[in-house]
Amino acid sequence: AQSVTQLGSHVSVSEGALVLLRCNYSSSVPPYLFWYVQYPNQGLQLLLKYTSAATLVKGINGFEAEFKKSETSFHLTKPSAHMSDAAEYFCAVSFSGGYNMVIFGAGTRLAVHP
Amino acid sequence: DTEVTQTPKHLVMGMTNKKSLKCEQHMGHRAMYWYKQKAKKPPELMFVYSYEKLSINESVPSRFSPECPNSSLLNLHLHALQPEDSALYLCASSQDRYSYEQYFGPGTRLTVT
Repeated sequence: AQSVTQLGSHVSVSEGALVLLRCNYSSSVPPYLFWYVQYPNQGLQLLLKYTSAATLVKGINGFEAEFKKSETSFHLTKPSAHMSDAAEYFCAVSFSGGYNMVIFGAGTRLAVHP
Repeated sequence: DTEVTQTPKHLVMGMTNKKSLKCEQHMGHRAMYWYKQKAKKPPELMFVYSYEKLSINESVPSRFSPECPNSSLLNLHLHALQPEDSALYLCASSQDRYSYEQYFGPGTRLTVT
């Protein structure tokens, strides 16, 4: 069965510090992986996606993620946090072939303090 | 145009009311989705439409009734809802039901009183 685990429901960083949000997946077939961001009372915005091309994926707002098959991980990073990065972040996985279903992780709330 | 729009943004309704949520996309996508999201939780899939036909119903109560009048439009009709149905309702679309990437709308915040 396919699943996504986000380690840490809350992450707090100082402005200017490194952001690291962790995501591990379980999949029996090659996965497609996504990170979405959700600001309060808004919908989901796609930050970046991995679709079996380059393992290091760059997204919007300075975020990037690295697909590591050996570790079944797809952690999200940003070198320097900004106050505007405070939001809920969801890791998600989808699968090639067959009927598409997107499975979301439980989410990680990122707080950025001055 | 890579946008999914949803109306209304906010909706307050009583338990005896009938209301509808609307979702629209003009990307030529042939799969559309309804998700329900409770506070501090990830979205949960409710329905999937593929080429205007209902493909997946994730055991959603009949007080939620989806409709796909054409390839650009998706409605969710609401009737006799319960307070626990209060949530953010998100619509999404993808090129087809086999596509891995979904585009999400901003959602409708529903409050049932």
